Amino acid sequence: DIVLTQSPGTLSLSPGERATLSCRASQSVDSSYLAWYQQKLGQAPRLLIYGASSRTTGIPGRFSGSGSGTDFTLTVSSLEPEDFAVYYCQLYGSSLTFGGGTKVES
Amino acid sequence: QVQLVESGGDVVQPGRSLRLSCTVSGITFSSYGMHWVRQAPGKGLEWVAVISYDGSKIYYAESVKGRFTISRDNSKNTLYLQMNSLRVEDTAVYYCANSGYYNFLSANDYWGQGTLVTVSS
Repeated sequence: DIVLTQSPGTLSLSPGERATLSCRASQSVDSSYLAWYQQKLGQAPRLLIYGASSRTTGIPGRFSGSGSGTDFTLTVSSLEPEDFAVYYCQLYGSSLTFGGGTKVES
Repeated sequence: QVQLVESGGDVVQPGRSLRLSCTVSGITFSSYGMHWVRQAPGKGLEWVAVISYDGSKIYYAESVKGRFTISRDNSKNTLYLQMNSLRVEDTAVYYCANSGYYNFLSANDYWGQGTLVTVSS
């Protein structure tokens, strides 16, 4: 089974700073099925990025995804106060595999 | 507006059973595969099960195989999760989420608010 490892576990940043989150797969994956989610405390996850780099409807342009093979990145170009949350990468298909999450805190 | 509303969460003793429901509106439910995903308190997301749009294909996580059953009633726009032989480690918030349009090849655009299952003696 493919394992997704996210790093760092916690990212301490200030509003306005750039956040770079990493997701590494244990073997090469099809980037078409790599997604990123944001989850705030007490809320369901929210889809940000699918297909490794496509923003879903309504997601601000400061969020971008990139990568291929085994290494994927979610970048938030300039953190807004509402961006402090936990972020998960995911492989989707007939099953779902999640990374362990990265907490972005201020 | 798409809505997924889970219900059925409760406090149950180990070894007992529980059935969760997820009622969907705002999309053509019968055209979408559906997942159950859970999240233990303070932990990450764990996939539980998926069912195809017509119920013909079903897959489970190893951790629940043989104990949980996913099903759907397209006439009621409702997804179910029958959970038997519950264990303490099944304690979690359970979310339903969409899969793809007539396939499994889609990220999870829509999620319910979750329903809490607590397994404790």
